[in-house]
Amino acid sequence: QVQLVQSGAEVKKPGASVKVSCKASGYTFTSYDINWVRQATGQGLEWMGWMNPNNDNTGYAQKFQGRVTMTRNTSISTAYMELSSLRSEDTAVYYCARAWNWRFDPWGQGTLVTVSS
Amino acid sequence: SYELTQPPSVSVSPGQTASITCSGDKLGDKYACWYQQKPGQSPVLVIYQDSKRPSGIPERFSGSNSGNTATLTISGTQAMDEADYYCQAWDSSLVVFGGGTKLTIL
Repeated sequence: QVQLVQSGAEVKKPGASVKVSCKASGYTFTSYDINWVRQATGQGLEWMGWMNPNNDNTGYAQKFQGRVTMTRNTSISTAYMELSSLRSEDTAVYYCARAWNWRFDPWGQGTLVTVSS
Repeated sequence: SYELTQPPSVSVSPGQTASITCSGDKLGDKYACWYQQKPGQSPVLVIYQDSKRPSGIPERFSGSNSGNTATLTISGTQAMDEADYYCQAWDSSLVVFGGGTKLTIL
């Protein structure tokens, strides 16, 4: 079945970077965009951007421009999201999701990133 | 920037119909979809392209989208439907989520 499996929880200090992975299985990885969404505790969903695994094109929400980088390794069907210059407000669960026909389906299980000194 | 507005909370008695709205400028000209999220879980798609149900989603979930408002309707609500619900739409190549609605089954 189509599945996205993300890397484990991370604890980072302010100013550091974090790189979260998202491994796809059950479909052709290069045929669908991967999007990243985050959710702070008790808050709503916040879209961060998208990446086309076929041609490496990306698009980022303005809020994250300059701090986020989305990449992929097609040989292992894995997408990555790296966020730099971390601050406490970046503490959240980060999700990857496959995008197709105007929807996100499925979603990964989420990765908790905690930013704390 | 484009915004989608949802009521923070909706309450309904078991077996009744719950309606959750999502408002945005000319939203009816875009495709809307809806996600259900239960505590500690990832969001799950329940409606896409305004009114289509993914396989495995019960028939009691339905959707519509016209004018400035998309609506998620849950008929004959059950206790298991208690969750947060988020609408989503695309504005050009950008993705927008509504703020979410907490559905409480009384």
